[in-house]
Amino acid sequence: NAGVTQTPKFQVLKTGQSMTLQCAQDMNHEYMSWYRQDPGMGLRLIHYSVGAGITDQGEVPNGYNVSRSTTEDFPLRLLSAAPSQTSVYFCASRLGTGAQTQYFGPGTRLLVL
Amino acid sequence: AQTVTQSQPEMSVQEAETVTLSCTYDTSENNYYLFWYKQPPSRQMILVIRQEAYKQQNATENRFSVNFQKAAKSFSLKISDSQLGDTAMYFCAFIEGAQKLVFGQGTRLTINP
Repeated sequence: NAGVTQTPKFQVLKTGQSMTLQCAQDMNHEYMSWYRQDPGMGLRLIHYSVGAGITDQGEVPNGYNVSRSTTEDFPLRLLSAAPSQTSVYFCASRLGTGAQTQYFGPGTRLLVL
Repeated sequence: AQTVTQSQPEMSVQEAETVTLSCTYDTSENNYYLFWYKQPPSRQMILVIRQEAYKQQNATENRFSVNFQKAAKSFSLKISDSQLGDTAMYFCAFIEGAQKLVFGQGTRLTINP
């Protein structure tokens, strides 16, 4: 198993550009999530999905879109990048509810100029 | 809204010493789960230990143990016989029925040789 994979590892964008951060897992997990990590603020939930075709907003969803057309993939789209979206982005997945271990991807570092 | 607070931004101890990281949380729920995650310089998020709120017995994993005080809403992590490889950011996290994992701000732990 590759676990949770994320691409790219690092990206530089100009303000106003759009891009998609890719996330995939091969563990047949139902739940997938996107977090952003900013200095001094821990991880904050952007969007999450409880299964294919179902997504919901997290704590900081503005400026981001997601979709879940398959169990394996959960891409995060930045529609018009802003400097405030400079952050490290983590994708995570887990099998089901409650105490299930959440597996994190290696992260994508995004710099918006 | 659920909140998780880690009051110690940074801590530093000598190798082989015991160190305790603090975490408090706020919830009106009775059934929930608590986690400690470790993030070394590689940025990978690694689950250290987890605790189900309905279990009175404190969780232990080798050198890692927790002191779970449900009434006080406190969930501290004790690292015994600390090692250089324990140097990392440590995040306390909480999840309840809404399936959203909420993280604290993190504690940067340095183990000195």
